[in-house]
Amino acid sequence: SQQGEEDPQALSIQEGENATMNCSYKTSINNLQWYRQNSGRGLVHLILIRSNEREKHSGRLRVTLDTSKKSSSLLITASRAADTASYFCATDAGGTSYGKLTFGQGTILTVHP
Amino acid sequence: DTAVSQTPKYLVTQMGNDKSIKCEQNLGHDTMYWYKQDSKKFLKIMFSYNNKELIINETVPNRFSPKSPDKAHLNLHINSLELGDSAVYFCASSVRGPRGTGELFFGEGSRLTVL
Repeated sequence: SQQGEEDPQALSIQEGENATMNCSYKTSINNLQWYRQNSGRGLVHLILIRSNEREKHSGRLRVTLDTSKKSSSLLITASRAADTASYFCATDAGGTSYGKLTFGQGTILTVHP
Repeated sequence: DTAVSQTPKYLVTQMGNDKSIKCEQNLGHDTMYWYKQDSKKFLKIMFSYNNKELIINETVPNRFSPKSPDKAHLNLHINSLELGDSAVYFCASSVRGPRGTGELFFGEGSRLTVL
């Protein structure tokens, strides 16, 4: 079964607004990662948050992790048209699943100029 | 310089044919992966190699055979192609560290269409 599930499936906003995407997962994790995929391109790593961390920032990105609720959120502040892409969360369960990142189905973000 | 490069970018072929996708990384990583992304954008791991050794094989039909001649290369050969094999195949690499799976670096993908 799929580990990560993202919500919403699609998000449409205006430039300058904030975008929040959520990810839920089922099993315990070692870390959780967020990736961006522009149309027709490969995935690009955005941020990694470890299971003992609650919040992490990188530029306009803010990621939170709540291991008790098995959920994470990605906030993009002051969005730009160039942020238009699909965003995926991926979980690393660690242990015998070492090396196996399990991806969610992604959120399609459209930022209108 | 492209960090993870895979060829070809597009493959169109008939059912029953055999095809290969090649992947090379110049990042010095010791772990490489093949992921399959279906038409709904769902990304699923197929294989993972660490220093040429297979460490993950995710219930993939044995028509799919990965080969890692060295730790910078991971190729994927597919025999007897089926319609359901149509997808985008991504190669990725990472460093294997003691603190879990780190950041993956992805290639641009190889779009396979089986007619």
